[in-house]
Amino acid sequence: DVKVTQSSRYLVKRTGEKVFLECVQDMDHENMFWYRQDPGLGLRLIYFSYDVKMKEKGDIPEGYSVSREKKERFSLILESASTNQTSMYLCASSTGASGRANNEQFFGPGTRLTVL
Amino acid sequence: AQKVTQAQTEISVVEKEDVTLDCVYETRDTTYYLFWYKQPPSGELVFLIRRNSFDEQNEISGRYSWNFQKSTSSFNFTITASQVVDSAVYFCALSEAWDSSYKLIFGSGTRLLVRP
Repeated sequence: DVKVTQSSRYLVKRTGEKVFLECVQDMDHENMFWYRQDPGLGLRLIYFSYDVKMKEKGDIPEGYSVSREKKERFSLILESASTNQTSMYLCASSTGASGRANNEQFFGPGTRLTVL
Repeated sequence: AQKVTQAQTEISVVEKEDVTLDCVYETRDTTYYLFWYKQPPSGELVFLIRRNSFDEQNEISGRYSWNFQKSTSSFNFTITASQVVDSAVYFCALSEAWDSSYKLIFGSGTRLLVRP
């Protein structure tokens, strides 16, 4: 079974803190994604990576950065957390085989981040 | 522009009722993929089905069935004889073959509550 794990289920941080959200997958997937989920908005893509040390901006990258030093690990960084970054953060991975748009993404359990 | 609309924010049914979740999409691509995911209270999105734009055959899997109609740009999901365990948020998503990010474009989700 594909397993995507996230470092924390719940996290509470203060405004201005630097926040690290970690995601690890065990299926040797090339592609990894970070989404945020907000009520009424569905999931929106923050950043994605299709290879080690590669990263691409998604639809809402402002205020975030990412790091992918190893194939199995993709980190989301909030350089200076703000209250409007309070949200559910979901990590996903997928294989990079041909027909990549066809490949389903496997999701982690999510991290609910609250910024006070 | 690509878009996925799930007009039903929340649906409440009594156990054993049939229920249909609507999904309407917009895309200019001729090759695309449609997905349904289930998000139970635990938070982890679970993949249910993928359908490509060239395959309009309806699909049935146990109590679940999907009706894909390109003429109306819809990909509706029906649960027959609903059960309490079907209570979850359901997301419809679109992936376009031209998009090198392989990102999923999600609808806002439909929360289904099945009451005993």
